[in-house]
Amino acid sequence: GAGVSQSPSNKVTEKGKDVELRCDPISGHTALYWYRQSLGQGLEFLIYFQGNSAPDKSGLPSDRFSAERTGGSVSTLTIQRTQQEDSAVYLCASSRIRGSGSNEQYFGPGTRLTVT
Amino acid sequence: AQSVAQPEDQVNVAEGNPLTVKCTYSVSGNPYLFWYVQYPNRGLQFLLKYITGDNLVKGSYGFEAEFNKSQTSFHLKKPSALVSDSALYFCAVRDGGSTLGRLYFGRGTQLTVWP
Repeated sequence: GAGVSQSPSNKVTEKGKDVELRCDPISGHTALYWYRQSLGQGLEFLIYFQGNSAPDKSGLPSDRFSAERTGGSVSTLTIQRTQQEDSAVYLCASSRIRGSGSNEQYFGPGTRLTVT
Repeated sequence: AQSVAQPEDQVNVAEGNPLTVKCTYSVSGNPYLFWYVQYPNRGLQFLLKYITGDNLVKGSYGFEAEFNKSQTSFHLKKPSALVSDSALYFCAVRDGGSTLGRLYFGRGTQLTVWP
């Protein structure tokens, strides 16, 4: 079956511009996660959506970052007034949550964002 | 607070030799532990997980990991390394008692297997 897809695969933007990154999770997966991977760094958690519950936004680094998930499926991560330190690979993951929530997360290929 | 440490940024091993990639964790409740692999310009791929039961977990591509509660470790192992195993490996943990699904990742270990 289809995996997690993300678009665009690469995005180059000028400092100060807004960008939108899209994630299509695996069909039937109720949980969706955004992470950021910077060069030489591990994965930094950004935000987590689970069904109709309020999202866990505890990882968003500033109020310039926001995300939404429409219809329990597609998610968009928006970065306003981009800064050079926002340059990173943004990874989306989804998982099927049931029972104890032990299910693994499946990752998309990522969007490489470069802010010039 | 949850956290993961991967003490080695790089691991180098000759093809055919056994490999170990180390991971230690800190979690307040029962740990759910995961290993992921990332090939260049690709997303992360799930390798294996420990939730409960047998401490030795077997996963994809011949990898296995051993959960050690007393040492709070979850080292990744493979008896005989392949050049194609060269990649970036991430260990991750979440608190099994938490309703929050986020994973806490280590910084990653770059594995290089030379011919």
